[in-house]
Parts: sequence; C-alpha cells; structure tokens
Amino acid sequence: LAKTTQPISMDSYEGQEVNITCSHNNIATNDYITWYQQFPSQGPRFIIQGYKTKVTNEVASLFIPADRKSSTLSLPRVSLSDTAVYYCLVGDNNAGNMLTFGGGTRLMVKP
Amino acid sequence: GAVVSQHPSWVICKSGTSVKIECRSLDFQATTMFWYRQFPKQSLMLMATSNEGSKATYEQGVEKDKFLINHASLTLSTLTVTSAHPEDSSFYICSAMRQGRGYEQYFGPGTRLTVT
Repeated sequence: LAKTTQPISMDSYEGQEVNITCSHNNIATNDYITWYQQFPSQGPRFIIQGYKTKVTNEVASLFIPADRKSSTLSLPRVSLSDTAVYYCLVGDNNAGNMLTFGGGTRLMVKP
Repeated sequence: GAVVSQHPSWVICKSGTSVKIECRSLDFQATTMFWYRQFPKQSLMLMATSNEGSKATYEQGVEKDKFLINHASLTLSTLTVTSAHPEDSSFYICSAMRQGRGYEQYFGPGTRLTVT
C-alpha cells in the first residue's frame, strides 16, 4: 500500500487560498488519490479524487504532477468553517485498498 | 445521494456489557462496508472489512471474538462490541463502498462509545 505523508498542521486566514501537499512516493500505476475532510466527532467527508493532472469540483482542486509522487489539494478562499483535518489516501480502485489513513493535516483557519 | 447512517450516534454502557452499532447505506447498495476506530486526536484505524453474506476480514491486532461484525444485507452491517471495557471507549465509524467511477467510499457520522 502506498504510504502518504502530509504536514501535521497548517494555519491560514479567511479568504486565502490553502494548498495542502501529500507525498506518496511509492504510488502504484492503478492507484487513485482521494482527499477527505473530517470535522471533530464526525465521519470523514469525500472532497475530491483524481488520477493525474488536475481535477476540479465545486469545493476544491487537486493537482497531480506527471510523476504522481505527490498531490496538492487546493482550497480557494477558505472560511472559518473549513477548519478541519484533511486526509489524503492512495489506493487501487479495483482492489478496494484505499483504506489506510495517514496522520492527516489539521487546518486552522483564523479570522 | 450516497448517504450512510449509523445508530446510535452515542452510547454509554457499563463494563462487561455488549453494545451493537448499526451502519446503513440509505440510498445505495453496499457489497462492502468498513469499520474504523478513532481515538482522540488520532487518525482513523481500519478494524475490519465487512462483505455481504460472508465473514468479515479483520485487521491485524483486532480481536474478531470481541468485535463481532455481521453484514446480512446489502444495506446493513452491524458491529457488536462484546464484554466492553473502558479501553474500548472510542469513536467508531463505518463506511460503505459504492461501485462506480473511481473508488467511492462514503462514511457514516460515527458512534461515540463510552464504557464506564
């Protein structure tokens, strides 16, 4: 299973763009990259998933370089309500092994 | 769509008793469900994989006789913590895998278990 490494914590201010990078040096060919958000005492919430290049949805963008050894979750114009823990997971869709959570990044958005 | 519920959302029980937690996929069928445990300020740890109609697969270090998992239908999996002890107090989260484009795993809201 591809292991992921993320910064333990990050601070930001309201209205700023936040980029959280995840390293996954031993990502396999069939692995996808998925990001989740978790608030205290709640289950994780799916944010975005991608395989290569760039994926964008209504809440975030995911940038994946050509070598796929890292990925960056970009949150545009964060608000206080974006304060949460963000996890990146890497795994094979077909094998269903995208189940190992790393430490996550604790994002604190300040007013 | 893709909503997963858990019941109860929190439970307090006495040491030595058993507690059952339900996980339901409300608007889709889930052939596979997963159970996680999360201690305060820590990440989620996978406990077991639950497949409909078959025995669950437990992760290393998780006692299968203590954490009984049943996945009797395509929308329901249950986790029973038997003979609970205070160290079993934790946040238990289930998720359901939805087959489709990409790997989509949807999480329940979690169940806070406190054993006194």
